[in-house]
Amino acid sequence: VVLTQSPVTLSLSPGERATLSCRASQSVGNNYLAWYQQRPGQAPRLLIYDASTRATAIPDRFSGSGSGTDFTLTISRLEPEDFAMYYCQDYGIIPKPFGQGTRVEFK
Amino acid sequence: EVQLVESGGGLVQPGGSLRLSCGASGFTLTNDWMSWVRQAPGKGLEWVANIKQDGSDKYYVDSVKGRFTISRDNAKNSLYLQMNSLRAEDTAVYYCVGDQGWLHVNWGQGTLVTVSS
Repeated sequence: VVLTQSPVTLSLSPGERATLSCRASQSVGNNYLAWYQQRPGQAPRLLIYDASTRATAIPDRFSGSGSGTDFTLTISRLEPEDFAMYYCQDYGIIPKPFGQGTRVEFK
Repeated sequence: EVQLVESGGGLVQPGGSLRLSCGASGFTLTNDWMSWVRQAPGKGLEWVANIKQDGSDKYYVDSVKGRFTISRDNAKNSLYLQMNSLRAEDTAVYYCVGDQGWLHVNWGQGTLVTVSS
């Protein structure tokens, strides 16, 4: 399975809405699709699993949707700490592929 | 508070070996699968290997099969990655990850492995 994320870079301002896409080359079984956030110099952090379930302590401005081969991560109103890299992953198969990432940067 | 702390990274020559360790605190490693995930400098994330609670099942990405071995010592609450026949393309930050099922939930801060002559 190959996961393709788009866009590569998203240039937005605080308060704006961010929409990130993750497309799989084959259907993701059981919707075992996760999203991770990685801030500069930090380890990744789990945001969303099972395509749409927020992980513990993740603010509700983060939401996930989709099924099959097309998935979306939405950040409803960007906070300064949300400018980071975002990766999707199909965690239900071996190997467990990640997408190449989308960078959300300040406009 | 859950903490995973990696150690054992460093500079090694091509063809050399290195053993990474991961210690857990505030977290019982024995409860679930554990993984290693790596990130080459300026690049994305790559899952490397995982191991079942009792060590009976292990899986690897193709590029490390036959060279890397994942293991765990539940009595010591520790995870390991033995890396042999290292190549330049193995240069990366290696993260120890505590899974829930196969989901990567708890991440260490990573240890840098540099393979260079």
